[in-house]
Amino acid sequence: GQNIDQPTEMTATEGAIVQINCTYQTSGFNGLFWYQQHAGEAPTFLSYNVLDGLEEKGRFSSFLSRSKGYSYLLLKELQMKDSASYLCAVMDSNYQLIWGAGTKLIIKP
Amino acid sequence: GAVVSQHPSRVICKSGTSVKIECRSLDFQATTMFWYRQFPKQSLMLMATSNEGSKATYEQGVEKDKFLINHASLTLSTLTVTSAHPEDSSFYICSAREGGQLETQYFGPGTRLLVL
Repeated sequence: GQNIDQPTEMTATEGAIVQINCTYQTSGFNGLFWYQQHAGEAPTFLSYNVLDGLEEKGRFSSFLSRSKGYSYLLLKELQMKDSASYLCAVMDSNYQLIWGAGTKLIIKP
Repeated sequence: GAVVSQHPSRVICKSGTSVKIECRSLDFQATTMFWYRQFPKQSLMLMATSNEGSKATYEQGVEKDKFLINHASLTLSTLTVTSAHPEDSSFYICSAREGGQLETQYFGPGTRLLVL
């Protein structure tokens, strides 16, 4: 079966760095996505990795290792507005998104 | 970037009535649209995939006679929840994909449905 695993909840301090991990097992692979979702809102796109390595975009970076079925989202210089759920999703061989359950990130002052 | 709208953003209805939710791609042609449902504190669950001009493909466990999907044009898909019941109360989100850009989905803002 297809499976995406990520921690349910994480807590971090404003100004710090946090890493949210995601492991996956899917039928085929056409890229891994990270989305941010604030409560009551639709997901917003953060990053897309299809090749191994680190993609940096401002305060957010995303890493992928296809051989390990592993990705992480790194958030630097955390701000209170970063409090949200972070969803890991993998696009399978049929170009369908397989979603993780999301990681709720709580930022404390 | 590409914009997808949903209407209404919020709807409250009585049990037994039908509710229609519209999903529109505003500045691109969406050959494929996806309908998701999300219950509180859970991830998105794909309900169905619809391609313009053809019947929707429903995920296992989703009743096609209860959740009617129409994708009659390249910019509009509708989801009708027929004979809604309180357990259908959820956050419904559509996303749209343009032509050959298979890796990209643009999400609508979502519709919160409450069935009393």
